[in-house]
Amino acid sequence: EDKVVQSPLSLVVHEGDTVTLNCSYEVTNFRSLLWYKQEKKAPTFLFMLTSSGIEKKSGRLSSILDKKELFSILNITATQTGDSAVYLCAVDVGTGNQFYFGTGTSLTVIP
Amino acid sequence: NAGVTQTPKFQVLKTGQSMTLQCAQDMNHEYMSWYRQDPGMGLRLIHYSVGAGITDQGEVPNGYNVSRSTTEDFPLRLLSAAPSQTSVYFCASSYDRNTEAFFGQGTRLTVV
Repeated sequence: EDKVVQSPLSLVVHEGDTVTLNCSYEVTNFRSLLWYKQEKKAPTFLFMLTSSGIEKKSGRLSSILDKKELFSILNITATQTGDSAVYLCAVDVGTGNQFYFGTGTSLTVIP
Repeated sequence: NAGVTQTPKFQVLKTGQSMTLQCAQDMNHEYMSWYRQDPGMGLRLIHYSVGAGITDQGEVPNGYNVSRSTTEDFPLRLLSAAPSQTSVYFCASSYDRNTEAFFGQGTRLTVV
């Protein structure tokens, strides 16, 4: 059975801290791994990773994939209150839009 | 550019009633899908479509029907609502299998 596991389930940090969110997966047909940010409503796209060892970066956020060890991490440096959200990891396993999602990591950034 | 539009935003149904959740996208995306999000369980795939006229089942398809008569629209039908279908439903679309999915704003459904 395909599964995606995220850790930790929740995290509370102070502004300026650096956080690392984890995502491990066991799937039969890996195509890509995606990170989304969800603030109350629709998930918004952050990164798509298909190749091992290549870091994707956008401002203070970065992510990397390890296809050998079957995990990905999402790093957020110099956190801000606007980073407070649920971060979702999803693995694309099929012919299109077939995502298996983890349960998410709830991040709270305190001023 | 509206993106992915879901209607309604909120709905309360009685057990046994039927309804259709609407999803439309204006980005000419071939791939569309429906997910439900429940507390502690993340998003789970209900049905998906890789193009007009083509649909397939996801992880939790029971109790739901879909059709894809046009590229733009992908409605989700609940034939006989049950309390277990109380959830937040998200529609998503993507240009192809190598691009990210864009999500609608969700429909919060309560079945009493």
